[in-house]
Amino acid sequence: DAGVIQSPRHEVTEMGQEVTLRCKPISGHDYLFWYRQTMMRGLELLIYFNNNVPIDDSGMPEDRFSAKMPNASFSTLKIQPSEPRDSAVYFCASSPRDGGPVNEKLFFGSGTQLSVL
Amino acid sequence: QQPVQSPQAVILREGEDAVINCSSSKALYSVHWYRQKHGEAPVFLMILLKGGEQKGHDKISASFNEKKQQSSLYLTASQLSYSGTYFCGTEPTIGGGGADGLTFGKGTHLIIQP
Repeated sequence: DAGVIQSPRHEVTEMGQEVTLRCKPISGHDYLFWYRQTMMRGLELLIYFNNNVPIDDSGMPEDRFSAKMPNASFSTLKIQPSEPRDSAVYFCASSPRDGGPVNEKLFFGSGTQLSVL
Repeated sequence: QQPVQSPQAVILREGEDAVINCSSSKALYSVHWYRQKHGEAPVFLMILLKGGEQKGHDKISASFNEKKQQSSLYLTASQLSYSGTYFCGTEPTIGGGGADGLTFGKGTHLIIQP
């Protein structure tokens, strides 16, 4: 099992540019989460999907952020336009959640380190 | 609302014990514990469900007091490999059993020295 795969690992861009982060969850996992990690705020939940449907996007900071999950094996998080305060590590995680609480553990990807100059 | 972890940082000698606490202002359905090493992704350690259970994983164990809305992580006879940042993630009772994303604390930095 390859685990949760994120790309790119590092992204450096200039303010105002569009940024797209990608995630491939573990096959068979019904839930997909996007988290953002900063020193100041720690790990923040941005949005999560169940069976490709967005369930809760209340953590998305503003309209510049959008996320999609067109199929069970792919999700994107887009920032347009990007700003320096968006600089952070963005993690994607998936979870099976199909057998009760014991299956609720999250499997995290390696993250995307985003720097907006 | 974000759970509160304490202490923020701990420095130990190899073989010493540590306790990391996590408290929430909300009634909880479950508490998760994760460990993250520098530059890596968080890795799952264990889940505790309401009911006041205690779990163990090698020399790492945890307890959950749902009445106090608190959980504690116990690291016994710490090893160098235990170094990292420990996060608790909480799932509130309101909203049903386990349908929501986790809210993580800011983490506790644990440094184990030889």
